[in-house]
Amino acid sequence: EAQVTQNPRYLITVTGKKLTVTCSQNMNHEYMSWYRQDPGLGLRQIYYSMNVEVTDKGDVPEGYKVSRKEKRNFPLILESPSPNQTSLYFCASIHTGGRNTEAFFGQGTRLTVV
Amino acid sequence: QKEVEQDPGPLSVPEGAIVSLNCTYSNSAFQYFMWYRQYSRKGPELLMYTYSSGNKEDGRFTAQVDKSSKYISLFIRDSQPSDSATYLCAMRGNFNKFYFGSGTKLNVKP
Repeated sequence: EAQVTQNPRYLITVTGKKLTVTCSQNMNHEYMSWYRQDPGLGLRQIYYSMNVEVTDKGDVPEGYKVSRKEKRNFPLILESPSPNQTSLYFCASIHTGGRNTEAFFGQGTRLTVV
Repeated sequence: QKEVEQDPGPLSVPEGAIVSLNCTYSNSAFQYFMWYRQYSRKGPELLMYTYSSGNKEDGRFTAQVDKSSKYISLFIRDSQPSDSATYLCAMRGNFNKFYFGSGTKLNVKP
């Protein structure tokens, strides 16, 4: 079964305490992406990766880091979280073959920074 | 101007109604158009996908793309309470970047 697995699903943390949200996909996709979803703003891209060791900034990268050491994993790192990073986060693994395209999303991580 | 504009709703309809959801976009180069459905506390899931202009039908759902007007629509016939969700339009641009609308929340009342 095609799957994108994110962990944890829920996280409450304090300002400044480093955290990592993991993301793993089993579809052998090259392209993966992180989004945050906020009311009224929709899904905004944080970072994306077009392949192993190839990452680039999306629309709202400030305060975030990513790495792509293996094709299946794409962790999101918050070195020093702040309250404005309280949001719902989604990892997506994207199929881009020919005229077919689809983003497969994880279940989401609800992060609260206090 | 946002790349993709979508009325956030909420939209409340009685069971059995025809629902029309719409998005406009600004980039005439978009060729891939999608609708995602997102249930509460879940990630978005692909509902319909259209390449270029035209209509596509899948059961009770019809997606329409009008590239000349930069306007896409999703129609739901015989709406059911199980259709209650947030619907997001999406387009794929250069370098496989996805542009999402902000989502329209739909509530179908029994």
